[in-house]
Amino acid sequence: DAGVTQSPTHLIKTRGQQVTLRCSPKSGHDTVSWYQQALGQGPQFIFQYYEEEERQRGNFPDRFSGHQFPNYSSELNVNALLLGDSALYLCASSSRRRLMAPDTQYFGPGTRLTVL
Amino acid sequence: GQQVMQIPQYQHVQEGEDFTTYCNSSTTLSNIQWYKQRPGGHPVFLIQLVKSGEVKKQKRLTFQFGEAKKNSSLHITATQTTDVGTYFCAGWSGAGSYQLTFGKGTKLSVIP
Repeated sequence: DAGVTQSPTHLIKTRGQQVTLRCSPKSGHDTVSWYQQALGQGPQFIFQYYEEEERQRGNFPDRFSGHQFPNYSSELNVNALLLGDSALYLCASSSRRRLMAPDTQYFGPGTRLTVL
Repeated sequence: GQQVMQIPQYQHVQEGEDFTTYCNSSTTLSNIQWYKQRPGGHPVFLIQLVKSGEVKKQKRLTFQFGEAKKNSSLHITATQTTDVGTYFCAGWSGAGSYQLTFGKGTKLSVIP
């Protein structure tokens, strides 16, 4: 049973460029959440996707956008990259039943993004 | 918005000593989760606490959820080198929110 997978593992971009990160959830999971983890910090919630829609967004600008596909995989897009966007981007999948407490989140290995 | 604070930020212990990290939320939580992140790794789920005053144990790890559901702690008895990593708490505020708010974590170093 494959866990959460993310690609690419590492990425180097320059300011102003755009980037797309990909995530495949754990088998049987239908909900994908994206987090940004700066060095020495805890993961910060970017947004969550369920049934191909963004269900909730954290405190991130519109430069951060996402998508979920019918097979539950997801993409995170960041436009107009800033130096401060350098971080580890984590994808977490879960099986979320409506109006109930969040199930265990299974994190992927992350994508390390460096913006020069 | 909801804030989750953890102390201490760093803890260095001699192998065999105990370790405790504390988590405090600015708002009442519906539940709290704990994760461990090894150096260079990703967060791995440890446990979820839901009930007021709940205490759960996993071998040498003891997790507590405060009576007011605004604080939590993780205690490790007789630390081992395999306990090295950063421990995060993450709180969920309840119905209507799908967001887990993480603390900044406590980085544990164990001196053999």
